[in-house]
Amino acid sequence: NAGVMQNPRHLVRRRGQEARLRCSPMKGHSHVYWYRQLPEEGLKFMVYLQKENIIDESGMPKERFSAEFPKEGPSILRIQQVVRGDSAAYFCASSDRGDQPQHFGDGTRLSIL
Amino acid sequence: GQQLNQSPQSMFIQEGEDVSMNCTSSSIFNTWLWYKQEPGEGPVLLIALYKAGELTSNGRLTAQFGITRKDSFLNISASIPSDVGIYFCAGLVTYGNKLVFGAGTILRVKS
Repeated sequence: NAGVMQNPRHLVRRRGQEARLRCSPMKGHSHVYWYRQLPEEGLKFMVYLQKENIIDESGMPKERFSAEFPKEGPSILRIQQVVRGDSAAYFCASSDRGDQPQHFGDGTRLSIL
Repeated sequence: GQQLNQSPQSMFIQEGEDVSMNCTSSSIFNTWLWYKQEPGEGPVLLIALYKAGELTSNGRLTAQFGITRKDSFLNISASIPSDVGIYFCAGLVTYGNKLVFGAGTILRVKS
């Protein structure tokens, strides 16, 4: 399967814990994007990365959230000290060039107890 | 910030009917995309539009990029039960390459 792979598909955390979401882009794609989706809403942009670089993080909350896309391995979205409001579906997308259509993974559904 | 207004919010139609939905924006986009999302899955790209005025088809789906570059519509002809899902329009912001999404159109089909 050459699609965008996200894991885990479901993640449950208690308030105050850390959540780590992983994304492996499509083969050959070096541009990765993270989006958040609340129930019955559209996706909202969070961050755009290329290998080892954050290009645009204008949609990321200033605190507790961070993202990386290392030279080797998947992109990681990290949420520290989670709160109930972080409950959402988090989607990763990738493209082979920045101006090309983005292809999405099936998301990680994060639930905070 | 940039926003897309997508309508209708939901549709409940008879199998075999044609469907039309649209998106408008106060901002110009150079690329419009249409995605479909089914429960528990990620959005799947249906059609990409790159030029103002462009009309593109993908099977029973047809989409157009408005001349002003501020709107787009998607038509589905002869709907079938598997068309059920949420359809999203998205504009690609040239600087930063992020997608701005509409709120989605929920499509339900009666067979």
